[in-house]
Amino acid sequence: QQPVQSPQAVILREGEDAVINCSSSKALYSVHWYRQKHGEAPVFLMILLKGGEQKGHDKISASFNEKKQQSSLYLTASQLSYSGTYFCGAEETSGSRLTFGEGTQLTVNP
Amino acid sequence: NAGVTQTPKFRILKIGQSMTLQCTQDMNHNYMYWYRQDPGMGLKLIYYSVGAGITDKGEVPNGYNVSRSTTEDFPLRLELAAPSQTSVYFCASRPGPRDTQYFGPGTRLTVL
Repeated sequence: QQPVQSPQAVILREGEDAVINCSSSKALYSVHWYRQKHGEAPVFLMILLKGGEQKGHDKISASFNEKKQQSSLYLTASQLSYSGTYFCGAEETSGSRLTFGEGTQLTVNP
Repeated sequence: NAGVTQTPKFRILKIGQSMTLQCTQDMNHNYMYWYRQDPGMGLKLIYYSVGAGITDKGEVPNGYNVSRSTTEDFPLRLELAAPSQTSVYFCASRPGPRDTQYFGPGTRLTVL
C-alpha cells in the first residue's frame, strides 16, 4: 500500500517555506525523498534510516517519526530551482522495495 | 561510471506489437526495479529483482515480463502492447536494503 503525501500541490513565492508530509499505514524500515523535474527522472534528495533521525543539506531537511510512521520534508527560504514534484518512497521491513506516494507538486514563483 | 542506462529513449508501438526495454547498471547493484509513470501520476512498481536469477511482481505486473540473468541487466518485455501501456518507464537500482536508489533516464513509450 502506497504512502499518502500531503499536500498534493503547493505554490510559493521565492523565499517562503514549505512542509511536505508522508504517512504510511505500515511499519517503515526507511524513508527516501526524491525530486522530479518535468520530463526528467527522479533525483535522490535524502534517506532517513532511524526514527527520530533528521537530515538536511542546503535548505532542505527531513525528519522521520518511526512510531507514527511519518516523515516530513522541510524546504526553507525556497528558491526557483526547488520547483518540481517531490516523492516520498516508503521502505517496509522486508527491505526489498520502495513504494512511492503520488507526489507533491511544488511551484516557486519569483 | 555511467550509472543506470536505458534504451530506447522513445518508442512508438502499434497495438499488439511486442518490445523489450533495456536496462543496464554498472554499479554492481544487487537490487533492480522497473516502474511506470503515467502523466501527472506517481511511480508504480512493475517488477523487481534482488539478485541475478530472482524476480518478483510489483503492483502492476500484468502485461509485462522480466528476466535477470546477470547482475548488470534487467530487461522488461512487453507482449501484445495495449494503449493502457502508454507511459514513461523508469529502471532503477540500488546496492541493497536501506540504500540509495538510482533511477535511469526513462523510456517514453506510446502505444497507438
